[in-house]
Amino acid sequence: RKEVEQDPGPFNVPEGATVAFNCTYSNSASQSFFWYRQDCRKEPKLLMSVYSSGNEDGRFTAQLNRASQYISLLIRDSKLSDSATYLCVVNSKTSYDKVIFGPGTSLSVIP
Amino acid sequence: NAGVTQTPKFQVLKTGQSMTLQCAQDMNHEYMSWYRQDPGMGLRLIHYSVGAGITDQGEVPNGYNVSRSTTEDFPLRLLSAAPSQTSVYFCASSYRGGSYEQYFGPGTRLTVT
Repeated sequence: RKEVEQDPGPFNVPEGATVAFNCTYSNSASQSFFWYRQDCRKEPKLLMSVYSSGNEDGRFTAQLNRASQYISLLIRDSKLSDSATYLCVVNSKTSYDKVIFGPGTSLSVIP
Repeated sequence: NAGVTQTPKFQVLKTGQSMTLQCAQDMNHEYMSWYRQDPGMGLRLIHYSVGAGITDQGEVPNGYNVSRSTTEDFPLRLLSAAPSQTSVYFCASSYRGGSYEQYFGPGTRLTVT
């Protein structure tokens, strides 16, 4: 089983729609969680960190459920510029400090 | 600040050749890492370093070597290139480790024929 798994996608949604991405992780010792965004053929960039209490940044809301080892990202009022691949990222501390990326979920927002 | 820089941007190798992908950062970050990205597979961790002189293996370390002699540089060496190593390689750095934002370089697109 992969350490971080995501909805396979792709998601094709109209402008203004609300879309949710799901992610699960297998290492219960994981401590830090993030969502990154990657545009086509570009490097990934941090979208937001995910906190236990849940957190919101404008149209984006991230939730963490440690008991279920599940992370989600909700995007409200989708814009064309939201089209990208969204990567779920988990920091799994073993002997040192590994940062593991999920395979990503592709989003296309359609006019 | 230049951030994270990677060279070369593109490279074509023949099977069996060796080469080094360069990565440098000017942010005084302790933590650096290398990923490869293949279509449909996301980024997979190759090796990472928590500071000068300290490295560890990631998910897919076979066929790659690293060393970290300075804080700034973290080169990735391909020992004997194979077609399976055709990929996009990203280097990343962060302030203290995995709990912090990872800053990525622009990537190196490697083709092994």
